[in-house]
Amino acid sequence: DTGVSQDPRHKITKRGQNVTFRCDPISEHNRLYWYRQTLGQGPEFLTYFQNEAQLEKSRLLSDRFSAERPKGSFSTLEIQRTEQGDSAMYLCASSQSREKLFFGSGTQLSVL
Amino acid sequence: KQEVTQIPAALSVPEGENLVLNCSFTDSAIYNLQWFRQDPGKGLTSLLLIQSSQREQTSGRLNASLDKSSGRSTLYIAASQPGDSATYLCAPYGGSNYKLTFGKGTLLTVNP
Repeated sequence: DTGVSQDPRHKITKRGQNVTFRCDPISEHNRLYWYRQTLGQGPEFLTYFQNEAQLEKSRLLSDRFSAERPKGSFSTLEIQRTEQGDSAMYLCASSQSREKLFFGSGTQLSVL
Repeated sequence: KQEVTQIPAALSVPEGENLVLNCSFTDSAIYNLQWFRQDPGKGLTSLLLIQSSQREQTSGRLNASLDKSSGRSTLYIAASQPGDSATYLCAPYGGSNYKLTFGKGTLLTVNP
């Protein structure tokens, strides 16, 4: 058990470019969550998966955002046509059912 | 919609002091509540999880209590150390949705 892994740790991109982040949850955890955190704020919920099914999406998740979890294993979060307001830390977490959530180290996105 | 408030927003104490961090939440229909620690630019580290049926949970110098009916939780840190300096986040899990909702956190500074 190596914990939740996120890649990359940092991403700098220009406005208008597409970016994709990856999250590898703890093996056999059936739930996977994406959160976004800006400076001085607590993490805000974006979306969550139970196995491969995306069960809930926040209104924060505009149509430029898409998340997948093929085969119920790793997950990707893609942001199309990035905007400066997308700059934030993107956090992934996993859990077994309603048990403790374990977070990864996050991906820090900077949109120039 | 679940809303979480953490008081105080920031706290500075001398080393060795005992301290209490407060958390309140509006929707008491929760499954559990987690306290996290976050160091600058890092992900979240889970400190304690209290199930909705429990009143408190202890780990080392940390003790968390939960009063679900009144929508309150406290984190007690005994004999604080400079290494405890971090942001502490409270997050109830559940309500009408299967996710954690975070407050803005309490920024703790323990001075040597």
